[in-house]
Amino acid sequence: QVQLVESGGGLVKPGESLRLSCAASGFTFSDHYMSWLRQAPGKGLEWVSYISTSSSYTNYADSVKGRFTISRDNANNSLFLQMSRLRAEDTAVYFCARDRAVLGSNRAFDVWGRGTMVTVSS
Amino acid sequence: QSALTQPASVSGSPGQSITISCTGTSSDIGGYKYVSWYQQHPGKAPKLMIYEVNNRPSGVSNRFSGSKSGNTASLTISGLQAEDEADYYCSSYTSSRSLDVEFGGGTKLTVL
Repeated sequence: QVQLVESGGGLVKPGESLRLSCAASGFTFSDHYMSWLRQAPGKGLEWVSYISTSSSYTNYADSVKGRFTISRDNANNSLFLQMSRLRAEDTAVYFCARDRAVLGSNRAFDVWGRGTMVTVSS
Repeated sequence: QSALTQPASVSGSPGQSITISCTGTSSDIGGYKYVSWYQQHPGKAPKLMIYEVNNRPSGVSNRFSGSKSGNTASLTISGLQAEDEADYYCSSYTSSRSLDVEFGGGTKLTVL
């Protein structure tokens, strides 16, 4: 079945780095834009970053620009988020999500993983 | 503070209809068709309920419908059921330089 599974979350100190992974299965991964979104404890959803099908285009929220890097490996159906210079305000559940459109984007996320928790605390 | 404004809570009785509003600007909701709605139960991942203003993904009940007028989008749930109790989030593409997709702050739906 169509599935996304995130991994790599954990507890880190401010200023440290972490790399999140998202394994996709059950669909043609290379046909879809992919995004990372996050949700701080008790708060709403926040879009973080997206990457196009062939990695030609990426975009980031200002809150993470210059600190986070999104990438993908279409051969291995995987999405990544390299996070550096982490701050307390980055503490959240991080979700990877599939854009519903094929070979494009309609900014609608129709498949989500269960999320991985990132806690930034000294 | 979220860029899109939603009511914090709404409620309704089983069988009734409710509408959740989502207000933005001409740089997001008013300017583009890329408005989506998500349902999220506690501890779960969000679920796409509506995309491109008024389209339902396969498998989503036709009790859920979306619309847009000017800078405000709306989600209507008819024939309320107990399992509809959840948080609902609107989202929109935005031409803002600081974001690509913005979300509303979420609306807690209580089925009385």
